[in-house]
Amino acid sequence: SQTIHQWPATLVQPVGSPLSLECTVEGTSNPNLYWYRQAAGRGLQLLFYSVGIGQISSEVPQNLSASRPQDRQFILSSKKLLLSDSGFYLCAWRGSGEAGELFFGEGSRLTVL
Amino acid sequence: QQPVQSPQAVILREGEDAVINCSSSKALYSVHWYRQKHGEAPVFLMILLKGGEQKGHEKISASFNEKKQQSSLYLTASQLSYSGTYFCGTESPYGKLTFGQGTILTVHP
Repeated sequence: SQTIHQWPATLVQPVGSPLSLECTVEGTSNPNLYWYRQAAGRGLQLLFYSVGIGQISSEVPQNLSASRPQDRQFILSSKKLLLSDSGFYLCAWRGSGEAGELFFGEGSRLTVL
Repeated sequence: QQPVQSPQAVILREGEDAVINCSSSKALYSVHWYRQKHGEAPVFLMILLKGGEQKGHEKISASFNEKKQQSSLYLTASQLSYSGTYFCGTESPYGKLTFGQGTILTVHP
């Protein structure tokens, strides 16, 4: 069966520090991968999505970046965090070429101080 | 461009019904519905594909009018467990899936 792992679950970082959130999917190949951010009490904002290795679409051109070094690994990064980067980050996957449901990871709660 | 949901919040008593609407300014490939409990990841409810179909999941059903680029989620005889934030997600043909701002549903005893 397919599983998705996301880490770390919680982190507190100072403004200006770097960030790396990792997401790994098991039990499937060539998944579509997504990063969403949810600010407190707000909706789900699509940050990046990827339909294959080296294919990443950016929806938020700010200080965040994403990479897909392996088929089932999706990494969200920042060189310098801003206060506004605080939020609940969710990685999700689904089968490629399918209009199927999204499977979300457990989420990473980031607080930037 | 994210879809627009209405209303932003709904308060119900157990057993009452509710409708949550979702509309998009762009042509839709499919519509997803999810429910999120506080502090948790969203959970899939259903997906509707092009064709104007209506689907059901227990006492929760949804419709999709692709011509109007709208979807509605119907919750009947609400239960306490229905409380949470409901999101609709709209999909483009290229895998991009964007969500509305959410509708907070609170069910009281």
